Amino acid sequence: GAGVSQSPRYKVAKRGQDVALRCDPISGHVSLFWYQQALGQGPEFLTYFQNEAQLDKSGLPSDRFFAERPEGSVSTLKIQRTQQEDSAVYLCASSLARGGSQAPTYEQYFGPGTRLTVT
Amino acid sequence: AQKITQTQPGMFVQEKEAVTLDCTYDTSDPSYGLFWYKQPSSGEMIFLIYQGSYDQQNATEGRYSLNFQKARKSANLVISASQLGDSAMYFCAMREPLTQGGKLIFGQGTELSVKP
Repeated sequence: GAGVSQSPRYKVAKRGQDVALRCDPISGHVSLFWYQQALGQGPEFLTYFQNEAQLDKSGLPSDRFFAERPEGSVSTLKIQRTQQEDSAVYLCASSLARGGSQAPTYEQYFGPGTRLTVT
Repeated sequence: AQKITQTQPGMFVQEKEAVTLDCTYDTSDPSYGLFWYKQPSSGEMIFLIYQGSYDQQNATEGRYSLNFQKARKSANLVISASQLGDSAMYFCAMREPLTQGGKLIFGQGTELSVKP
């Protein structure tokens, strides 16, 4: 079946521009995560959705970052007034797991990422 | 706070030999999950293996095995019979309890190079 897809794969933005990054999770996956991966680093958590509810946004670095998942499937990460430090790969992951589930093994399936370069 | 530490920025291994990638973790939660992911140059994160904190036996998946030493808080990945295609970045990650959302905390990664 289809995996997690993300678009665009590459985005170049001039400093100050707004960008929108899209994630299509695996059908039926309840949980959706956004991570930011700077060059040479491990991914860092940004935000988490369970269906359409954004349950954790503690990793968003500033109020310029906004994420939504209005119908519980596709999610969009928006960055307003981009800065050079926003340059990174943005990874989306989905999982069957939901909070409170006793099932232990629900791994997160990752998309190919969007590489954002802010010039 | 939960933390994952990978102390090997880069590793080299000869093709067909085994290699161990180190991972230590820190958490106060009794229930947690440990994952290893592979990230080739194409950028996608590929799930390799999982170990639950209550699992009695070390996890194995084909050529991958996880050397889980709970008392030492280590979860090292062992790759047997290395192949050229194993050259990639490898990340160890801890999943916070699912009741808290289940986000992954990643280490800094180890770049593995397999030599022919």
